[in-house]
Amino acid sequence: EAQVTQNPRYLITVTGKKLTVTCSQNMNHEYMSWYRQDPGLGLRQIYYSMNVEVTDKGDVPEGYKVSRKEKRNFPLILESPSPNQTSLYFCASSPFGTGRSDYGYTFGSGTRLTVV
Amino acid sequence: GIQVEQSPPDLILQEGANSTLRCNFSDSVNNLQWFHQNPWGQLINLFYIPSGTKQNGRLSATTVATERYSLLYISSSQTTDSGVYFCAVEDTGGFKTIFGAGTRLFVKA
Repeated sequence: EAQVTQNPRYLITVTGKKLTVTCSQNMNHEYMSWYRQDPGLGLRQIYYSMNVEVTDKGDVPEGYKVSRKEKRNFPLILESPSPNQTSLYFCASSPFGTGRSDYGYTFGSGTRLTVV
Repeated sequence: GIQVEQSPPDLILQEGANSTLRCNFSDSVNNLQWFHQNPWGQLINLFYIPSGTKQNGRLSATTVATERYSLLYISSSQTTDSGVYFCAVEDTGGFKTIFGAGTRLFVKA
């Protein structure tokens, strides 16, 4: 089944303890992206990647890192989490070219992160 | 940066009614998409529609890029249509995605 898989689904952690949220897609998509969703602020892009080893900042990259060493994986790293990073996080992927108009973005199921 | 405005912010419909959701954007864009977030939080792609009209069952969408707006039509609404509808655009400078604030739809049985 074509899908984007995020792990974990739920995570409670303490301030300053490094964590990684994984994202993996099995559709051979070139484009991958991370978003956070907060009440009253909607969805905001954190980072995106257009292919292996090519990443760029979205609107809210502060406090986050990403890497794209393989096409299928795009982990989100919080080196020193703070309470203001408590949020619902989504990963998405998409092909480029003509495939994009057929499929658009495919989202993962989300990761609810709480930093205390 | 590009501003994306959606209207109305909230909408309550009786099952079977039709509705139109609007998305205005402030500058030229590479593409526009419509998504549905169901009450369980899942985000589902509805349409990839930088211009023109597309239809999928009871849903259809039209984007008029020259006038910087897109419309999502829901006909014969069902309770399963409830949730939040987002439009999102990619700016022409790269592949940044900007979401609107969404339209929250509740369909009553």
